[in-house]
Amino acid sequence: GNSVTQMEGPVTLSEEAFLTINCTYTATGYPSLFWYVQYPGEGLQLLLKATKADDKGSNKGFEATYRKETTSFHLEKGSVQVSDSAVYFCALSDRNQGGKLIFGQGTELSVKP
Amino acid sequence: GAVVSQHPSWVICKSGTSVKIECRSLDFQATTMFWYRQFPKQSLMLMATSNEGSKATYEQGVEKDKFLINHASLTLSTLTVTSAHPEDSSFYICSARPEEAATSYEQYFGPGTRLTVT
Repeated sequence: GNSVTQMEGPVTLSEEAFLTINCTYTATGYPSLFWYVQYPGEGLQLLLKATKADDKGSNKGFEATYRKETTSFHLEKGSVQVSDSAVYFCALSDRNQGGKLIFGQGTELSVKP
Repeated sequence: GAVVSQHPSWVICKSGTSVKIECRSLDFQATTMFWYRQFPKQSLMLMATSNEGSKATYEQGVEKDKFLINHASLTLSTLTVTSAHPEDSSFYICSARPEEAATSYEQYFGPGTRLTVT
């Protein structure tokens, strides 16, 4: 079945450091891929998405490229801020399964000043 | 745009009682809404998919008689936890998929409801 695997957290970085959160997926079809962010005490917010191979999603300085050959969708940001501290979830949606979202386990990011 | 609300944001109930959680899409119509459960520091587990006007589809292992889902309109879905027990304490999150998002399968999430059963 479909699945998503993220790098384990927590990840602790200093402000302005480079961020990479790895995400790989397993899918039988051609899924859409998403990154969601959950700030403390809040619900999930869509950060970025990519719907087909080689698409790059970007938002708020974050970006991720849909790599079909490596089944990956790694999240990157060149310079993190304290306000980026949150839990990040990688997810896929496969229309062969009715468009349900399947989430990775989440990666907690803590950015120190 | 694409705002989803949940009510209440938190609720405490006694063991054996039932509690209803509402999920509303405020500025769009959603033919499909999803209910998730999130344990502390863990990922979201899909509980069920509800489609307006039809019965919900429950994921394997989720008791449909315990977690009653009603999707009565294009902007409202409710989750009722019946005969709640302490192990039902969790963070419940709903999401809604706009009709026009059918090709990309985007979902917009509510802020969640913290349920504590004493």
